[in-house]
Parts: sequence; structure tokens; C-alpha cells
Amino acid sequence: AQSVTQLDSQVPVFEEAPVELRCNYSSSVSVYLFWYVQYPNQGLQLLLKYLSGSTLVKGINGFEAEFNKSQTSFHLRKPSVHISDTAEYFCAVSQTTGNMLTFGGGTRLMVKP
Amino acid sequence: SAVISQKPSRDICQRGTSLTIQCQVDSQVTMMFWYRQQPGQSLTLIATANQGSEATYESGFVIDKFPISRPNLTFSTLTVSNMSPEDSSIYLCSVARSDNEQFFGPGTRLTVL
Repeated sequence: AQSVTQLDSQVPVFEEAPVELRCNYSSSVSVYLFWYVQYPNQGLQLLLKYLSGSTLVKGINGFEAEFNKSQTSFHLRKPSVHISDTAEYFCAVSQTTGNMLTFGGGTRLMVKP
Repeated sequence: SAVISQKPSRDICQRGTSLTIQCQVDSQVTMMFWYRQQPGQSLTLIATANQGSEATYESGFVIDKFPISRPNLTFSTLTVSNMSPEDSSIYLCSVARSDNEQFFGPGTRLTVL
């Protein structure tokens, strides 16, 4: 079994400030890791994913995440946020041998002017 | 990527009735999934829709309440049966690629009165 914990349910930040959204997972087997974004009243869009290789993964909209196996973390970062980044962000994992995604509880990023 | 559409996009239903949600993909896919997102919460997997066989349900979800059809590799339906206000949620379908990346439909926002 696997689980995902997003430590912060809400993260308020001012525009142009850096942000980090935290994600920790637990799994007894190798995993793939994902970050999805959900804008208000919309479906989920993939931001980035880690499958293998370099632990620093770059995604869309200037986001990046770093896979840390020893700390079982996959934190999402952006050096300078925009108002348009206001959304719900979900971290998810799947086993490398299966397709089923397990989602974290989500973090609401609120960017203030 | 895959383009996924869902019908209806939203509906308001009376207690005790049933609603069938359709999910259409623009290409053939092996893996299709149905998720529920209750208000203010994360996504929970309801079931995996298998083509040519019965769906595989997750713990807490049963076929009598959420019957699923998968007649071909581009289409699936989820029925929410005998609805109660607790079924008010966003229902999302998704499809998976071989690298476990999942693409999500826009969701169906269901309100049960």
C-alpha cells in the first residue's frame, strides 16, 4: 500500500515571492511521482512527473520538483509566483508496476497581489 | 496526450434518482478510471473500468451503487444510483499511458438535493 501526505492544506503567498509545496509519500516499492494542478471549476492538469533519472524535474508554468528518496519527498517549487498560479495542487504516486494513482489531500495555493 | 470529454458537465438531481455520466476519449486506451472528488477534498479512486469485463472496485465502492460500463477502448459510463445528498461530488474519469501518466476529463459536478 502507498500513501501521500501534503503537509500544508493552504499556502498564502504574495505575488512574485517564491513558494514550496510539500509532499511526502510512503511506499514499500518503487514509485512514480506526479504533481497535478486544478484551477477553479476545472479538471486536473499534469504539472510534472518523476519516472527515473535526474531527481530535479522541471514542469510547465515554471514549476519544478525534486525527488528525494531518502526523505521520501517530492516537494514542488516555483521561484516567483503569479496571481494566475492560484489553484489547488495535488501530489500523487503510483507503483512502477501498476497504474493506480494515490493522491494527497491537496494544497490550496493562494497568491495575493 | 489524450483529449477527454465528459457529459454532463454538471447536473442537479433529486434524491433517489440515478445519473449516468459518460466519458469519451479521442484515442484507444487500455486503462480508464473513475474518481470522486467530494467538496473541498482530494480525489478518491472509485474503480478501474475494464474493457470486456467487470470493473474493479476500490474498497468502499460497490457495483450496485456505481455500475460502470466499458463497451470499447474509447468510452465508459459511470452511473450513480439511488442518489443521496452525500453523493454530491465532482466525478472525473481518467486514462493512463504506459508510463503511468494519467489524463483527466473536465469532471461532472453533481449536486443531489
